[in-house]
Amino acid sequence: EDQVTQSPEALRLQEGESSSLNCSYTVSGLRGLFWYRQDPGKGPEFLFTLYSAGEEKEKERLKATLTKKESFLHITAPKPEDSATYLCAVSNFGNEKLTFGTGTRLTIIP
Amino acid sequence: DAGVTQSPTHLIKTRGQQVTLRCSPKSGHDTVSWYQQALGQGPQFIFQYYEEEERQRGNFPDRFSGHQFPNYSSELNVNALLLGDSALYLCASSSLSYEQYFGPGTRLTVT
Repeated sequence: EDQVTQSPEALRLQEGESSSLNCSYTVSGLRGLFWYRQDPGKGPEFLFTLYSAGEEKEKERLKATLTKKESFLHITAPKPEDSATYLCAVSNFGNEKLTFGTGTRLTIIP
Repeated sequence: DAGVTQSPTHLIKTRGQQVTLRCSPKSGHDTVSWYQQALGQGPQFIFQYYEEEERQRGNFPDRFSGHQFPNYSSELNVNALLLGDSALYLCASSSLSYEQYFGPGTRLTVT
């Protein structure tokens, strides 16, 4: 059974204070690791897909990295509009579903 | 380019009733997945439809059923509603890339 654990559960940062969110996973044959952003009461918004260890992807102030056991979402000089819940999910070969973690609730204080 | 759309936005039902939720996939996508998200939790996979067939199912009872139409749109039906079925129901569409794009969700409240 695939498992995803995200930490911390919640994170409060001052505007401009960089940090990282962690996603640890156990999966039988990783097909992809996905990061989503979710605002309250809305559907998850796709951010990144990572397929193999060592891969990195960037989008504005966000950078996602992947190892064989975990992924990090680095946020550089965050702004209040980056406040959201960030979800990590995995899929494995032969399995169509996404298995999600419970998310990290990020709050950026002006 | 329209993204994934879902209807209705909100729904209030009584225990024991039945509900139907609808989803239209992103243009160019042929696969639809449904997820249930309880408050403070990550989405949980219900099932996935491809070529009008249920391709995979998660750990949900038979009260949850679905359908996919020739235009790739999909419905989720839930019978004999329980209080515990109250949640945000999310539809996601995808194609060969396996990246799933989510709609805005339907908030179901069972009283």
